[in-house]
Amino acid sequence: AQTVTQSQPEMSVQEAETVTLSCTYDTSESDYYLFWYKQPPSRQMILVIRQEAYKQQNATENRFSVNFQKAAKSFSLKISDSQLGDAAMYFCAYRSADYGQNFVFGPGTRLSVLP
Amino acid sequence: AAGVIQSPRHLIKEKRETATLKCYPIPRHDTVYWYQQGPGQDPQFLISFYEKMQSDKGSIPDRFSAQQFSDYHSELNMSSLELGDSALYFCASSRTGGETQYFGPGTRLLVL
Repeated sequence: AQTVTQSQPEMSVQEAETVTLSCTYDTSESDYYLFWYKQPPSRQMILVIRQEAYKQQNATENRFSVNFQKAAKSFSLKISDSQLGDAAMYFCAYRSADYGQNFVFGPGTRLSVLP
Repeated sequence: AAGVIQSPRHLIKEKRETATLKCYPIPRHDTVYWYQQGPGQDPQFLISFYEKMQSDKGSIPDRFSAQQFSDYHSELNMSSLELGDSALYFCASSRTGGETQYFGPGTRLLVL
């Protein structure tokens, strides 16, 4: 079974600065997808970014980018120019490439943004 | 753009009562997933449906059952509720062949 680990229960960053959230995973599969979801105080799960394992190029979405290291099974999220609205719980999630597979989530990292 | 709709948004029940949660996926999405998120925890997969058939099962108690209907909406039925069932229940949907799941706003269930 796949597992996802987020070793940083809490992180903080100054507004306008850059922060990196860590995620590692364990799998024997070669084809899969990785995601970062944001959960603000409203508790809505919001997709931040996704990465296909077969793509070597790191995904980027505006201020959010990932560092995907397949051999190391590492998938970190970098948030640039942090904004107050980025404060939330961030979950790393793994999904097998097989159709219909559910997500396996990590325990989450709570990010605080300091003004 | 249309999103996943869940109802009710909040639900309060007594122990041993029954609850039904509803999920309406994004139009043209044929796969529905149910997750349970306890306080301070990550979402845990319960069950999923594809084209009205159960496709996968996670840590869903035997007291819970679910189904997907012909219009693709899904219902999660929870019986003999326990205090530990208090949680946020998410429904997510995806389209055929899609790897991304889109989450609804969740139903907050409180069991007293």
